Amino acid sequence: DIQLSQSPSSLSASVGDRVTITCRASQGITNYLAWFQQRPGKAPKSLFYAASNFQSGVPSRFSGSASGTYFTLTITSVQPEDFATYYCQQYYNYPHTFGPGTIVEIK
Amino acid sequence: QVRLEESGGGVVRPGRSLRLACGASGFTFTAFGMNWVRQAPGKGLEWVASISHDGAKTYYADSVKGRFTISRDDYSNTFYLQILSLRPEDTAVYFCTRMSSAIHTTPDYWGQGTLVTVSS
Repeated sequence: DIQLSQSPSSLSASVGDRVTITCRASQGITNYLAWFQQRPGKAPKSLFYAASNFQSGVPSRFSGSASGTYFTLTITSVQPEDFATYYCQQYYNYPHTFGPGTIVEIK
Repeated sequence: QVRLEESGGGVVRPGRSLRLACGASGFTFTAFGMNWVRQAPGKGLEWVASISHDGAKTYYADSVKGRFTISRDDYSNTFYLQILSLRPEDTAVYFCTRMSSAIHTTPDYWGQGTLVTVSS
């Protein structure tokens, strides 16, 4: 099975800060990587598929990128509604594994 | 708009069975594959099962293979997760999700989830 790791596991940021989260795959997955946001007590929301393609309704302050087996989610100016847990998922092959998550907290 | 609504969760004794349902609306159901994803209390997301748009292909996590069955009813725009021999470790919120496309099989839309609690 393909394993995903995320770093950091948590971070504190102030409104307006730039936030970067990294996801690393244990083997090549081309660009079959998605990102999700989950606010406490809510269902996840899909942010990106194919590493950098926006899902519907995602603000432009979010971006995704890829370099080999490293994938990055960036929030250029974090807003109050962005404080949440972020997960990556590979769908290159089954099982479609998720990363352990990164908690973004308010400083 | 796309809408997914789960039902069928509840408190169940270990060893019993349960069937979760997900009603879909707002899109052409037969054009999309579907997934189930679960989240144990305080834990991360776990992919559980997927079914292709035509129901011909199904896939399962090793942790549920042989006990869970994913299926779909294209007449009622509903898909299901049949769970046999429930275990305490199956306690989780179960989310139904739509695949983004036939190529990009990751979720694009999520339901609100249904809680399954396995306890004696």
